[in-house]
Amino acid sequence: QLQLQESGPGLVKPSETLSLTCAVSGGSISSGIYYWGWIRQPPGKGLEWIGDIYSSGSAYYNPSLKNRVTMSVDTSKNQFSLKLTSVTASDTAVYYCTRHKGGYDYIFDSWGQGTLVTVSS
Amino acid sequence: QSVLTQPPSASGTPGQRVTISCSGSSSNIGSNTVNWYQQLPGTAPKLLIYTNNQRPSGVPDRFSGSKSGTSASLAISGLQSEDEADYYCAAWDDSLNGRVVFGGGTKLTVL
Repeated sequence: QLQLQESGPGLVKPSETLSLTCAVSGGSISSGIYYWGWIRQPPGKGLEWIGDIYSSGSAYYNPSLKNRVTMSVDTSKNQFSLKLTSVTASDTAVYYCTRHKGGYDYIFDSWGQGTLVTVSS
Repeated sequence: QSVLTQPPSASGTPGQRVTISCSGSSSNIGSNTVNWYQQLPGTAPKLLIYTNNQRPSGVPDRFSGSKSGTSASLAISGLQSEDEADYYCAAWDDSLNGRVVFGGGTKLTVL
């Protein structure tokens, strides 16, 4: 059974870069079927799609975050990563890594447990 | 403010049928499929309904989805206490170079 596990610092200072990694187990990130991505949820609020990446490295980002987001994939380690630059308090959220099968249906059928990232000095 | 509009709350008693609405526009629900996610307290969201009205394996048939025009609905029949959760609708939006958009979420309380 597929498992996604987020990891990274729980506290990031304003203006710095948030970096998270999602380790994939129970399936190969190189299978060529799925896209791998990130969704976040500020405390007590709703969900926001950040973007996703294919095993080839081709990525697509939410236009509202595009200028600050970079995603990458490491097939040798079966993991993918998120970098968000110039963070502010509004980037404080639980960050989930996800999977979907491609196409415009965007069916997120697997989610990590989530990791809380707080932006504070 | 979310692109898709959901009521912030809904409630029902055990055994009742409740519906949760999700209103969008021609650029999202009107031209793309809708998915629903259930988020139990303190946990990650879970896929509940996909492609408007399909249930993943393991989701009880008490849960059903529908779509008409630029709106979608989630119905829960035979309400149970364990259904108390937040529910989110989502769809692809063709505007602004394209993005996934979510509803603001509906907190369902089982009285």
